Amino acid sequence: GAVVSQHPSRVICKSGTSVKIECRSLDFQATTMFWYRQFPKQSLMLMATSNEGSKATYEQGVEKDKFLINHASLTLSTLTVTSAHPEDSSFYICSAWSPNTEAFFGQGTRLTVV
Amino acid sequence: AQTVTQSQPEMSVQEAETVTLSCTYDTSESNYYLFWYKQPPSRQMILVIRQEAYKQQNATENRFSVNFQKAAKSFSLKISDSQLGDTAMYFCAFMNRDAGNMLTFGGGTRLMVKP
Repeated sequence: GAVVSQHPSRVICKSGTSVKIECRSLDFQATTMFWYRQFPKQSLMLMATSNEGSKATYEQGVEKDKFLINHASLTLSTLTVTSAHPEDSSFYICSAWSPNTEAFFGQGTRLTVV
Repeated sequence: AQTVTQSQPEMSVQEAETVTLSCTYDTSESNYYLFWYKQPPSRQMILVIRQEAYKQQNATENRFSVNFQKAAKSFSLKISDSQLGDTAMYFCAFMNRDAGNMLTFGGGTRLMVKP
């Protein structure tokens, strides 16, 4: 079946630094990918929709300058958390739709900002 | 905008028994899909079952089945013969096919299967 690979699975960074998370669709092309944030014991909250070749669409309340999204190819979207702060610590998940209308999710990235 | 509500934050069931997780949604759209996803402790999201709104027949996948009541906007998940590996968070999700395939998730139900 279709697979979405997300990397890294865990990352620890210092406050003020930037962290890049990659999301790849391994065996299908994804013109659209989605980035979610999940706090402990809570649901997935959509942060933004990543569109290949164009600007991402951010949900209300999500700072586009802090969470930079780049979708440079049909198989890769990246989320960069810029000038990270401890409150950015969270679990980030990407997803992409396969051609048969099934959403596949990456393994998630646990970000810890110290 | 769509909303998805899961009214049971936590549930438990004995191994081999049956459990039903509730989900209601609110929408004015007609072209949509509904999903149940499982998130085990690994936190990998796994599709359990999918229901197209235009289909009247309830979807089934092995031990998993849904009760889709379109008029009532209800979409419950029944797990039969519960197994220890079913222990996980379960999320109900709505997708409007005419709005970019964005998924809206419910708050989740934590299911514990007891031996």
